[in-house]
Amino acid sequence: GQQVMQIPQYQHVQEGEDFTTYCNSSTTLSNIQWYKQRPGGHPVFLIQLVKSGEVKKQKRLTFQFGEAKKNSSLHITATQTTDVGTYFCAGGANNNDMRFGAGTRLTVKP
Amino acid sequence: KAGVTQTPRYLIKTRGQQVTLSCSPISGHRSVSWYQQTPGQGLQFLFEYFSETQRNKGNFPGRFSGRQFSNSRSEMNVSTLELGDSALYLCASSSDRYTGELFFGEGSRLTVL
Repeated sequence: GQQVMQIPQYQHVQEGEDFTTYCNSSTTLSNIQWYKQRPGGHPVFLIQLVKSGEVKKQKRLTFQFGEAKKNSSLHITATQTTDVGTYFCAGGANNNDMRFGAGTRLTVKP
Repeated sequence: KAGVTQTPRYLIKTRGQQVTLSCSPISGHRSVSWYQQTPGQGLQFLFEYFSETQRNKGNFPGRFSGRQFSNSRSEMNVSTLELGDSALYLCASSSDRYTGELFFGEGSRLTVL
């Protein structure tokens, strides 16, 4: 069945450093979504990518969808303490449900 | 508009008992999905309902079941609770399950003793 792998599981950075999390699927995806979950909170939608090779930016966040639509990445430039949380990717394929990666937990040292 | 509402927020049960969790989606959303979240396991998909029909189901034992009512409210039930069922159960609603944004509730934190 459809599986979504996400790495790394944890990432600790110094404030101001960059951060990247990667998502890989065993099958071709129709779309991929990214969510952020703050400590003690619930996942909140960040963005959706649907096109092969698509790149979207939200301020310091850059999202990419691979050419083969099997992988994606989220890159944060110059991290801030407000970026702390767990970042999840979720992939959808062939009208199957959105399956989530295990998440990357980001901690930022001021 | 009001967000996704889950009740109860916290509950404690003992092994062998059963539990029912409730989710009220955003008004107008017909798709409701349930996820189990445990430390290190991410979000594990349980099932998804759309217009009172279960469209997809994850790899969970039959002790986990759910349903959706005509007003789109959904319930999930776990029977014969085990210690490993302790988790945060998240409900998410969407206007379009396959391509739409998921709106999550705050979750129901279940502890099984």
